[in-house]
Amino acid sequence: QVRLVQSGAEVRKPGASVKVSCKASGYTFTDYYINWVRQAPGQGLEWMGWMNPSGGGTFSAPEFQGRVTMTRDASLTTAYMELSSLRSDDTAVYYCARGQKLYCSGNRCIPSDFWGQGTPVAVSS
Amino acid sequence: EIVMTQSPVSLSLSPGERATLSCRASQSINNNYLGWYQQKPGQAPRLLIYGASARAAGIPDRFSGSGSGADFTLTISRLEPEDFAVYYCQQYGASPFTFGPGAKVEI
Repeated sequence: QVRLVQSGAEVRKPGASVKVSCKASGYTFTDYYINWVRQAPGQGLEWMGWMNPSGGGTFSAPEFQGRVTMTRDASLTTAYMELSSLRSDDTAVYYCARGQKLYCSGNRCIPSDFWGQGTPVAVSS
Repeated sequence: EIVMTQSPVSLSLSPGERATLSCRASQSINNNYLGWYQQKPGQAPRLLIYGASARAAGIPDRFSGSGSGADFTLTISRLEPEDFAVYYCQQYGASPFTFGPGAKVEI
């Protein structure tokens, strides 16, 4: 069965960086995009970006450009999201999710159907 | 960037009643690539609907999606106790894949 297992909770000081991992299993890792989404306490979902695990290409939302780096180790079927220059308002639960299949079309394009359990990140001095 | 809005912000209903949630995009969404998610406290979101109207695997048929272009609707025909949650729409037709602010269905 498809599973995405994320790394554990993190605490960082303002200005530091954090790297969250997302271990995928149960499907061909390089066949599907990985999306990253975060949720601040009591707030809604915020889409951060996607990564193509096959070629490594990425796209990040404008508010994260320059601060987020999405990478992968295909041999470990693991995706990573690193966020730098952390601020207190980066305190949130960070999720990875399996995105659309590469080269899908029409209703074969299914977004974010499997999610990791979430990684809480707290930023505090 | 496509901006998503949802209405109402919250909805107070009873089990057995019908819930109708709206989602509007600031521009037409390519291929009607519009998804709906359900989220309960402390849990990851769960995909309900994709492509505006297709139910995701394992989703009961009391959940249905409709709409096209820039206006979409999620309908829950008869609310079950486990349906009280927050619902988000998301467009994935153009990057960045933006979410709506969410709509809470409460008792």
